[in-house]
Amino acid sequence: GIQVEQSPPDLILQEGANSTLRCNFSDSVNNLQWFHQNPWGQLINLFYIPSGTKQNGRLSATTVATERYSLLYISSSQTTDSGVYFCAVAGMDSNYQLIWGAGTKLIIKP
Amino acid sequence: ETGVTQTPRHLVMGMTNKKSLKCEQHLGHNAMYWYKQSAKKPLELMFVYSLEERVENNSVPSRFSPECPNSSHLFLHLHTLQPEDSALYLCASSQEALAAANTGELFFGEGSRLTVL
Repeated sequence: GIQVEQSPPDLILQEGANSTLRCNFSDSVNNLQWFHQNPWGQLINLFYIPSGTKQNGRLSATTVATERYSLLYISSSQTTDSGVYFCAVAGMDSNYQLIWGAGTKLIIKP
Repeated sequence: ETGVTQTPRHLVMGMTNKKSLKCEQHLGHNAMYWYKQSAKKPLELMFVYSLEERVENNSVPSRFSPECPNSSHLFLHLHTLQPEDSALYLCASSQEALAAANTGELFFGEGSRLTVL
């Protein structure tokens, strides 16, 4: 099955800094989503991005499907950006399953 | 606010209790899911319902019993649980079940944090 690796596993930044989170996957995908899990446990859907580039405010994401990676950019970080960022993918044989990365834990210090 | 609501947010139960988790989605989606998230582990898919029909049961013990009375509501009935079942239980929905096409976005509720004593 598809393997998903996220890096870095942990990231500590000062408020206002920019960051790049990476998601590598081992096979072709037709579904890739980025999620943010806040400290209370809720998972928020950030981007549905199996290919291409999208932007939403301070966040943007790029997926290069041919090279099997996706990047999530966070600019001008705020303390509310803290939490765990997950990448999840599905390929043609994943049937109902999103394959989840282990996540990047981001801490933004004031 | 994601359009998916879970209750209760926190639940503490003994091993002999029977309780239920409830999920409601206001997005007009046709598919609903239960996920389990334990500490230091990736999310585990438990059940998938598409148009009220269970289409996936991911080798989940029978002490977890799902129910989907309509496409907007999903329950997880719990009985004789074990302490290792303590976890965050997340409900999600999508427009269609992530099946052969595997496209579409997943929207999650806030989760129900379960502690089994």
